Amino acid sequence: EPEVTQTPSHQVTQMGQEVILRCVPISNHLYFYWYRQILGQKVEFLVSFYNNEISEKSEIFDDQFSVERPDGSNFTLKIRSTKLEDSAMYFCASSEQGRAEAFFGQGTRLTVV
Amino acid sequence: DAKTTQPPSMDCAEGRAANLPCNHSTISGNEYVYWYRQIHSQGPQYIIHGLKNNETNEMASLIITEDRKSSTLILPHATLRDTAVYYCIVRADSGGYQKVTFGTGTKLQVIP
Repeated sequence: EPEVTQTPSHQVTQMGQEVILRCVPISNHLYFYWYRQILGQKVEFLVSFYNNEISEKSEIFDDQFSVERPDGSNFTLKIRSTKLEDSAMYFCASSEQGRAEAFFGQGTRLTVV
Repeated sequence: DAKTTQPPSMDCAEGRAANLPCNHSTISGNEYVYWYRQIHSQGPQYIIHGLKNNETNEMASLIITEDRKSSTLILPHATLRDTAVYYCIVRADSGGYQKVTFGTGTKLQVIP
């Protein structure tokens, strides 16, 4: 069964450093998303991406965040200058035109120290 | 999207049916009921969705009341692997765009 894959599974970074989280969505999907989940809290929507541009973003997705689909298969989330409060699980998801479900990856655990 | 209300937690004996309720009394006519679940620390997983008819797939059944103000997700024979947080979400169909707004869900504990 096709799946969304995310790398790395765990990333530790120092405060102020840039991180790039990588995702390979399911190949025929057109919509791509990033979510995050701070430990013990709800899964929160960050951003959606369609047709090579951001279609919607939340208040969390400020100027420190950016997304890119650099090569037609990868979908990346960049955090420019990480803060302690960026520590969370980050989930990538994708969905297909006309289908009801979004498929989520297994997540990247980001720890900012 | 309409608001949903779910019990914070439930227990179910292994092998028995797990019935997870959801209240969505403000649902609009064009809004679907979706269920996702999140097994500990994994990515959320789509289970099932429906508009007004009952639905069944290989994972679960979804029973929606006639007035559509509530629904029940049924896992017919719960296993330990079904221990997870289950989210009931109401949203309009948008042709493929699937931004999901998660609440706090119901934490289902399947007991041996």
